[in-house]
Amino acid sequence: DTEVTQTPKHLVMGMTNKKSLKCEQHMGHRAMYWYKQKAKKPPELMFVYSYEKLSINESVPSRFSPECPNSSLLNLHLHALQPEDSALYLCASSQRWGAPVSTDTQYFGPGTRLTVL
Amino acid sequence: AQSVSQHNHHVILSEAASLELGCNYSYGGTVNLFWYVQYPGQHLQLLLKYFSGDPLVKGIKGFEAEFIKSKFSFNLRKPSVQWSDTAEYFCAVNAPGNDMRFGAGTRLTVKP
Repeated sequence: DTEVTQTPKHLVMGMTNKKSLKCEQHMGHRAMYWYKQKAKKPPELMFVYSYEKLSINESVPSRFSPECPNSSLLNLHLHALQPEDSALYLCASSQRWGAPVSTDTQYFGPGTRLTVL
Repeated sequence: AQSVSQHNHHVILSEAASLELGCNYSYGGTVNLFWYVQYPGQHLQLLLKYFSGDPLVKGIKGFEAEFIKSKFSFNLRKPSVQWSDTAEYFCAVNAPGNDMRFGAGTRLTVKP
């Protein structure tokens, strides 16, 4: 099973709302990722969690707050977003991250399409 | 840090035509190479990957890619495309200890 699930599929929120995106995998992977993908663009890495610890924050604004409550779950808390934050938010997982010799493949979820009004 | 270049922004082919999508990367060390496909309205799916060994890699749906180390290239090929291959194709590079970097993507349109 190489499935990564994400909820919700679609989310519309106002700039003053607080919402959360959820991601789950049961492959025993210890690395999880959040990416942002704008239309007709490649995914851009936002955060990397390795063994439930935040390892990479690609200078993402603080209105995005990741959380990894356990090895299977990854959340992205959203607060005071801007219309330009509208995008497809992808979660991915892999066995490990950052190993000196890594042969890990990242498996992607279907994404949450976020619209900020 | 590594970077990835995909030469073709949009490729239009007729069914049964052969396909080759270019991908070049810039990184001097050992890399892992991937091709992902994103069908309209769907999520990224892994087509194939190269870690080591035989530089000619076969993936799903009749796709293959060849790693040419001297050219820093990992081009994707398919001998005969189908209408259902219409999608966005992303080349990605992951150097050990570094993050995955995606190319800008190539949009493939196959005319029936």
